Amino acid sequence: KAGVTQTPRYLIKTRGQQVTLSCSPISGHRSVSWYQQTPGQGLQFLFEYFSETQRNKGNFPGRFSGRQFSNSRSEMNVSTLELGDSALYLCASSLTSRRGGGYNEQFFGPGTRLTVL
Amino acid sequence: AQSVSQHNHHVILSEAASLELGCNYSYGGTVNLFWYVQYPGQHLQLLLKYFSGDPLVKGIKGFEAEFIKSKFSFNLRKPSVQWSDTAEYFCAVIGLLSGTYKYIFGTGTRLKVLA
Repeated sequence: KAGVTQTPRYLIKTRGQQVTLSCSPISGHRSVSWYQQTPGQGLQFLFEYFSETQRNKGNFPGRFSGRQFSNSRSEMNVSTLELGDSALYLCASSLTSRRGGGYNEQFFGPGTRLTVL
Repeated sequence: AQSVSQHNHHVILSEAASLELGCNYSYGGTVNLFWYVQYPGQHLQLLLKYFSGDPLVKGIKGFEAEFIKSKFSFNLRKPSVQWSDTAEYFCAVIGLLSGTYKYIFGTGTRLKVLA
């Protein structure tokens, strides 16, 4: 099976711009989660989507949003970029049930490295 | 507040040394526990997981972890490390509380194994 793919792999933007990141989960996985990874902060949970619905959300401002399509592919959008948004954005997919929870492992993609100048 | 603490941010060991990475969590509900590893230039991948049952779980590449509920800990161990274990290790908790769940990762521990 193909793994989780993320595009683009690298992005350079300037403050105030917006950006859209894409994630294709493993075939058959309906849950997609997004994380922000920065040195010293580890992985910070952004949100999770299941069957096109946001099922869980972390503590990020409203500038961070996402969506999921009927084929389980997901996009994440960050508007009005700030310097502090520079990070590696990771997408993870899993086979979690409709009930939710972490009863299955997450499979991570390679990430999108976002640099905000 | 829910949190995961990894006490060691950087660890340097020589090959064949024993490894123990600490992980403590603060969570009020039912938890599932994970250790993930990120080798240089590679994706995060699962090392091992604990859902229930035997609190000593074994993972890939000779790693094991022990869940001690009374100490809210899930420390990772390996009796003899290899140069190829150089990586960043993340402890993670996924907890169910009041009908919702949270994914929480620790800040990671960078392990460098000297040949």
